[in-house]
Amino acid sequence: GAVVSQHPSWVICKSGTSVKIECRSLDFQATTMFWYRQFPKQSLMLMATSNEGSKATYEQGVEKDKFLINHASLTLSTLTVTSAHPEDSSFYICSARQLDRGTYEQYFGPGTRLTVT
Amino acid sequence: DAKTTQPPSMDCAEGRAANLPCNHSTISGNEYVYWYRQIHSQGPQYIIHGLKNNETNEMASLIITEDRKSSTLILPHATLRDTAVYYCIVGDDKIIFGKGTRLHILP
Repeated sequence: GAVVSQHPSWVICKSGTSVKIECRSLDFQATTMFWYRQFPKQSLMLMATSNEGSKATYEQGVEKDKFLINHASLTLSTLTVTSAHPEDSSFYICSARQLDRGTYEQYFGPGTRLTVT
Repeated sequence: DAKTTQPPSMDCAEGRAANLPCNHSTISGNEYVYWYRQIHSQGPQYIIHGLKNNETNEMASLIITEDRKSSTLILPHATLRDTAVYYCIVGDDKIIFGKGTRLHILP
């Protein structure tokens, strides 16, 4: 149980284009989903928190107009990197928190590696 | 900022118990202690969590001191597949990762 998937697992795009990454909770409903990014040899950095049906909350320093997050249902959240540039190349990881749990453990997707050329 | 302090790296012989320490001296009363690990180029994997009492599951044991200011994750019989970065996290809502401990299992 508690499986989270991401699609695509890797993507290469040209500078200036937009890329959408999907995050799905496969066997549970997630009230809250989180998006992280990770640069090589660094830890995960939280980008934003999204609750189903409401606007995402972005961490300080993360541009909300560049990283569009939509949490349309209890099993799907999407991250769109708009007008991507090479410095946006990173490993993007989502996580989901299970509905109606008494604690806050999160289950992570396998990650999406974005390369912007 | 992460609220925990972990050693940057540790070695453990295969088959032995791996004991990973974590300091969280500023933990508040309603905050849980979570442990995750990340194997290279994969998403983090949940291991275990606890509030006050020691916890055990099929993967590991979590020992939390009585004052809750530190904890130890124990992998009872480490294998090569346990080589990963282990993150100790304290929180009651969103999970903020620190730098973790890079655990090397030696054959």
